[in-house]
Amino acid sequence: DGGITQSPKYLFRKEGQNVTLSCEQNLNHDAMYWYRQDPGQGLRLIYYSQIVNDFQKGDIAEGYSVSREKKESFPLTVTSAQKNPTAFYLCASRGGGLNTGELFFGEGSRLTVL
Amino acid sequence: AQSVTQLDSQVPVFEEAPVELRCNYSSSVSVYLFWYVQYPNQGLQLLLKYLSGSTLVKGINGFEAEFNKSQTSFHLRKPSVHISDTAEYFCAVRGANSGNTPLVFGKGTRLSVIA
Repeated sequence: DGGITQSPKYLFRKEGQNVTLSCEQNLNHDAMYWYRQDPGQGLRLIYYSQIVNDFQKGDIAEGYSVSREKKESFPLTVTSAQKNPTAFYLCASRGGGLNTGELFFGEGSRLTVL
Repeated sequence: AQSVTQLDSQVPVFEEAPVELRCNYSSSVSVYLFWYVQYPNQGLQLLLKYLSGSTLVKGINGFEAEFNKSQTSFHLRKPSVHISDTAEYFCAVRGANSGNTPLVFGKGTRLSVIA
C-alpha cells in the first residue's frame, strides 16, 4: 500500500545526544515536510523540501537538521542544540500536478529526552 | 502569508448532539482550506477540503464545512456526533496556486463526546 512510514514510533534518548527520525514515502511525491506537535500548540513547521537535494527552514528550524538525498526519504536529526526536544514529530508529503495542497501524514514519532 | 485561528481549544458535547468547531483564517490571496482529524498517538487524516466552487463541502464520517469568504471562516459541523468522533481537529490554510508552500495549521480543537 502507498503511504508514509515513520520510525521509530517511540524513542527515548539522554540529554545531549543527537537523534535521527526516519521518514519514507512511496507515493512518488515531490514535497516533504516535518512538523513538531506540542500540546495546545498545534503543528509547527520545522523543515520542508520541495525537491531532491533542496530544503528550506520552517518556523522552528533551530536545533534540527535534514537531508533529502532521495525522493523517497526525508530524515530529521534532532541535535543537542535543540533546547526542548521532547515532542511528537510528524512527517508529511504532498504531490504536485493536479494535487491542490492536501498533505498525507505518517503515524508520527514520539521523542522523549530524559 | 496566511494564518488560522481555531476559536475553541476544547469542545465537550453529548453523544447524538450536533457540534460546530470554529475556524477563521487570514489571507490577502485566495485560499485552499482543510480540516484534519487526529486520533491519539496517530498522524492526521484529511476530513474535507475546500478548493473552489460550492461553499458547502462534505467530508468523511458525516462531517461538513462551509466556506464563508466575507467572514473568512470555515467552520466544521456534524449534526449528530458519536463517541468515536472524540479526537483533535485541525483547520489548515494554504494560498491557492502557491506551489509547494506548506500548509499553516491552527492550534487544534479537542472534541470530547460524552456518553
